[in-house]
Amino acid sequence: KQEVTQIPAALSVPEGENLVLNCSFTDSAIYNLQWFRQDPGKGLTSLLLIQSSQREQTSGRLNASLDKSSGRSTLYIAASQPGDSATYLCAATGNQFYFGTGTSLTVIP
Amino acid sequence: GAVVSQHPSRVICKSGTSVKIECRSLDFQATTMFWYRQFPKQSLMLMATSNEGSKATYEQGVEKDKFLINHASLTLSTLTVTSAHPEDSSFYICSASPGGNSNQPQHFGDGTRLSIL
Repeated sequence: KQEVTQIPAALSVPEGENLVLNCSFTDSAIYNLQWFRQDPGKGLTSLLLIQSSQREQTSGRLNASLDKSSGRSTLYIAASQPGDSATYLCAATGNQFYFGTGTSLTVIP
Repeated sequence: GAVVSQHPSRVICKSGTSVKIECRSLDFQATTMFWYRQFPKQSLMLMATSNEGSKATYEQGVEKDKFLINHASLTLSTLTVTSAHPEDSSFYICSASPGGNSNQPQHFGDGTRLSIL
């Protein structure tokens, strides 16, 4: 069964720093890898979707990479802002969704 | 750990049929449940937020009269796709949260793959 792990579980950084969130998965037979943001009490917001044939996707200050062979994806956030504070989830999609446990990010003003 | 059961896992039916999908939290009370869908090669997108005992909040572009959500108890939410058409064919997944504004994790069902012929 696919297992998805996110490291670190929690991260606190000062405003303006660049940061990297990590996601690893055990089964490389995925259709795509998605990154989401979760705010307290809210549904998930989709950030980036990387198809299995792609290596990376970019949206504004966010860049996500995918290395299927090593079972890893990273989410890079440039010039972090307090509004980026949230929990970030990755999900590997095969026949089902397999969600990571999340990284709780706090950006300190 | 917390478990969310979603049923059925797969539905194939004719155009015009209404389809009901159930989402149950098995070992916790889910004040809030979320419904998502994913079209092929697209991101998983939030459709609506369902709070027990009140009307669901729908995301922009989601027709509330077509996608009926009922959250009548703390352990069950249902999504009914009324008069389904081929363009409604998608992967639907629910998640449940103990709710409130705390940063409680969401627990996901296994999803329902809906195919309308």
